[in-house]
Amino acid sequence: GALVYQYPRRTICKSGTSMRMECQAVGFQATSVAWYRQSPQKTFELIALSTVNSAIKYEQNFTQEKFPISHPNLSFSSMTVLNAYLEDRGLYLCGARAGGNSDYTFGSGTRLLVI
Amino acid sequence: GDQVEQSPSALSLHEGTDSALRCNFTTTMRSVQWFRQNSRGSLISLFYLASGTKENGRLKSAFDSKERRYSTLHIRDAQLEDSGTYFCAAEGAGYQNFYFGKGTSLTVIP
Repeated sequence: GALVYQYPRRTICKSGTSMRMECQAVGFQATSVAWYRQSPQKTFELIALSTVNSAIKYEQNFTQEKFPISHPNLSFSSMTVLNAYLEDRGLYLCGARAGGNSDYTFGSGTRLLVI
Repeated sequence: GDQVEQSPSALSLHEGTDSALRCNFTTTMRSVQWFRQNSRGSLISLFYLASGTKENGRLKSAFDSKERRYSTLHIRDAQLEDSGTYFCAAEGAGYQNFYFGKGTSLTVIP
C-alpha cells in the first residue's frame, strides 16, 4: 500500500533558528506533494503544492524565502522553516499523490514547538 | 474566503445511532477526500471520490455528481471508536490545490 513517512515527529527549536522536515513516499510515485500547517485550532493552511518538473506554487502568506521546499524525485520531499518564531508553531503535514486522479496519502506530521 | 465549508463543527452521538457530516463547496470541485485525524495527528484516509458514492463498513460517502458542490459522510450505528475529528478536503477543477474544511469533532457516547 501507499505510505508516507514523515520525520521528525516532533521538534523543538529556539526562536530564530531553522528546522527541516522530510517526507518519504513508499509504494507509489509522489508526483505531487502538498505541505500544510495545522493550527492549534485544527485549521489546515496549505503552504505550497509541489509537482515534479513544475514550479512550486506557494499560497498567499507563505513564501519560498520562509518555507523553502525541495522535491527532487518521485519519492522524497523536504521543507525547511527558516527563522522560526512563535507564530510558526503547529503541526506540519505533507500529503503526496501519484497523479491528478489519485488520492492523497499523508505523513504522520511534524509537530513544531518554538521556544 | 473558505472554499470548503464543513458542518457541523461538533457532534455528539449516542452509540448505535446514525448521522451525517457535510461539506459544501463554494465552487465546482473535481474530487473530494474524507479523513479522520487520530489523537496523534495522523490523517487516516476514509474515502476518495471523483463522483458517486463509496461505502466501507458503517461509513458511506457521497459526492454530488451533478453540481459537484457538496459531499456527505454518513456514519451508521456509531461506535465509541468512531470518535475523533473528521475532515473533508476537495480539489478544484483543473487540478488546483487541495483545500480542507475546518473539521467535525465527533464524540460517541455510551
